[in-house]
Amino acid sequence: AQTVTQSQPEMSVQEAETVTLSCTYDTSESDYYLFWYKQPPSRQMILVIRQEAYKQQNATENRFSVNFQKAAKSFSLKISDSQLGDAAMYFCAYGGGSEKLVFGKGTKLTVNP
Amino acid sequence: DGGITQSPKYLFRKEGQNVTLSCEQNLNHDAMYWYRQDPGQGLRLIYYSQIVNDFQKGDIAEGYSVSREKKESFPLTVTSAQKNPTAFYLCASSIDHGTGNEKLFFGSGTQLSVL
Repeated sequence: AQTVTQSQPEMSVQEAETVTLSCTYDTSESDYYLFWYKQPPSRQMILVIRQEAYKQQNATENRFSVNFQKAAKSFSLKISDSQLGDAAMYFCAYGGGSEKLVFGKGTKLTVNP
Repeated sequence: DGGITQSPKYLFRKEGQNVTLSCEQNLNHDAMYWYRQDPGQGLRLIYYSQIVNDFQKGDIAEGYSVSREKKESFPLTVTSAQKNPTAFYLCASSIDHGTGNEKLFFGSGTQLSVL
């Protein structure tokens, strides 16, 4: 079964600096998708970024980018120029040949002014 | 605006009572999902539906029931058989399901507590 591991329960960053959140996953599939979702204090989940495994180029969305290492089964999220509004829980998720998305347990990000 | 509406925002259940959480979407999505979120845990799938009048159990379906009579609606009933129902419940939808490419759109959630 596919598993998703986020090894950092909590992280903190100073405003305007860069932070990287880690995610590893386990799968035997060759074609799949990876996601980062953000859950702010409002608790509504929002898609941050999506990566297709067959694409070697790392996905980027404005200040958010990923470092996708397929062989290592690693999918980290980099947030540049951190803003106070980036404070949230971040969940990594895997979507593959199975019938459902698998989520990690999340990383709580604190942004210090 | 298109989106997913969950109600109520807060819900309290008495011992032995069944309660129903509402989820409505106007995104014209085929697939809908119910997730449970406990503190310190990721999202765990309760039930999902790919099409009207059809649904499948997720990882933690025991003590829950669903229906999908309309494309727009996917209510979740927490039955008295669910002995630990206190949690945050999230409803989601996606255009398709099973491709692994599901971009999920989430509602704002319902916090269920036991009195």
